[in-house]
Amino acid sequence: KQEVTQIPAALSVPEGENLVLNCSFTDSAIYNLQWFRQDPGKGLTSLLLIQSSQREQTSGRLNASLDKSSGRSTLYIAASQPGDSATYLCAVKGSGGGADGLTFGKGTHLIIQP
Amino acid sequence: DGGITQSPKYLFRKEGQNVTLSCEQNLNHDAMYWYRQDPGQGLRLIYYSQIVNDFQKGDIAEGYSVSREKKESFPLTVTSAQKNPTAFYLCASSSDINSNQPQHFGDGTRLSIL
Repeated sequence: KQEVTQIPAALSVPEGENLVLNCSFTDSAIYNLQWFRQDPGKGLTSLLLIQSSQREQTSGRLNASLDKSSGRSTLYIAASQPGDSATYLCAVKGSGGGADGLTFGKGTHLIIQP
Repeated sequence: DGGITQSPKYLFRKEGQNVTLSCEQNLNHDAMYWYRQDPGQGLRLIYYSQIVNDFQKGDIAEGYSVSREKKESFPLTVTSAQKNPTAFYLCASSSDINSNQPQHFGDGTRLSIL
């Protein structure tokens, strides 16, 4: 059964720093990997989706990479801002595709200090 | 604006009572999902539906039921058989069954026991 682990569980950094969030998964046969953001008491907002055939995706200050063979993904946040404070979740979709759901990690709780 | 609407935002259940959580989407998506989120845990899949009049059990379906009579609606009933229903419930949708498009989430319903 697929397991997704996110390290660190929590992170606090000063504003302006570049930072990296890590995600690992046990079964490399994935269809895609998604990074989400969750604000307190809210639903999830999709940030980036990397298909299994891709190595990375970029959106603004965010860059996500995927190394399927080693079962790892990273989310790089450049020039962090207080508004980036949230919980970041990594999720993988199994290689069967289909409409089965995602397997989620427990998230990294990020605080950007002004 | 297109999106997913969950209601109510907060819900309280008495012992022995069934309660129904609403999820409506106007994104014209075929696939819909229900997840449960507990503190310090990743999201876990309860049920999913690929198309109208079809739905499948996820990882933790016991004590829950769903219906999919309309494309835009996927209500979740938490039955009295669910002994630990206190959690944050999230509904999501995606465009098709073999989607490499991101899942879109609602803002959630927080269920508590009286």
